[in-house]
Amino acid sequence: AQSVTQLGSHVSVSEGALVLLRCNYSSSVPPYLFWYVQYPNQGLQLLLKYTSAATLVKGINGFEAEFKKSETSFHLTKPSAHMSDAAEYFCAVSVSGANSKLTFGKGITLSVRP
Amino acid sequence: GAGVSQSPSNKVTEKGKDVELRCDPISGHTALYWYRQSLGQGLEFLIYFQGNSAPDKSGLPSDRFSAERTGGSVSTLTIQRTQQEDSAVYLCATLLGYDLYGYTFGSGTRLTVV
Repeated sequence: AQSVTQLGSHVSVSEGALVLLRCNYSSSVPPYLFWYVQYPNQGLQLLLKYTSAATLVKGINGFEAEFKKSETSFHLTKPSAHMSDAAEYFCAVSVSGANSKLTFGKGITLSVRP
Repeated sequence: GAGVSQSPSNKVTEKGKDVELRCDPISGHTALYWYRQSLGQGLEFLIYFQGNSAPDKSGLPSDRFSAERTGGSVSTLTIQRTQQEDSAVYLCATLLGYDLYGYTFGSGTRLTVV
């Protein structure tokens, strides 16, 4: 079985500052990893995904994440935060094969200060 | 349709009543998932439908929860004898075949049990 750990429930950064949201996973087989974003009163939107190709994955809105097998991590970063980045962010893991499903972390709320 | 549609968007019900939540998937998407999002708990997998295969019900929290998918399209999640702990946002996600990379989420149904 796979699992995801997102430490902390809330991160606050200043506009223009680096955004770093941490995600660690556990999986007995090579994982697929995802970051989703949820804006208030909206559904989840895929930011980026790792599917065993390049370890540095670029997503939408300037976000990127790096898969580090040795650290079992898939941290999300953005060089310069924008006010519109304020949202809840979920890391998720899955494995290949039929009947597989996403396992989500508990999510991190990102606040951006002016 | 163009996206995953869920109805109602909000539902307030009295403890002990039954509720039905509806998910209209993207046309042609054969896989459909239900998740529950509780405050501070992330997303919890409930049930998964894939084509004509038997559904994976391993995430349903109790026998008060059931779901069906008619004609491989619309899905209904039913909660009988609702309890206050059932209050949450119920999210539906669909994808094409086994394409784990292509989850599309609906905006969810916010259920409040009073």
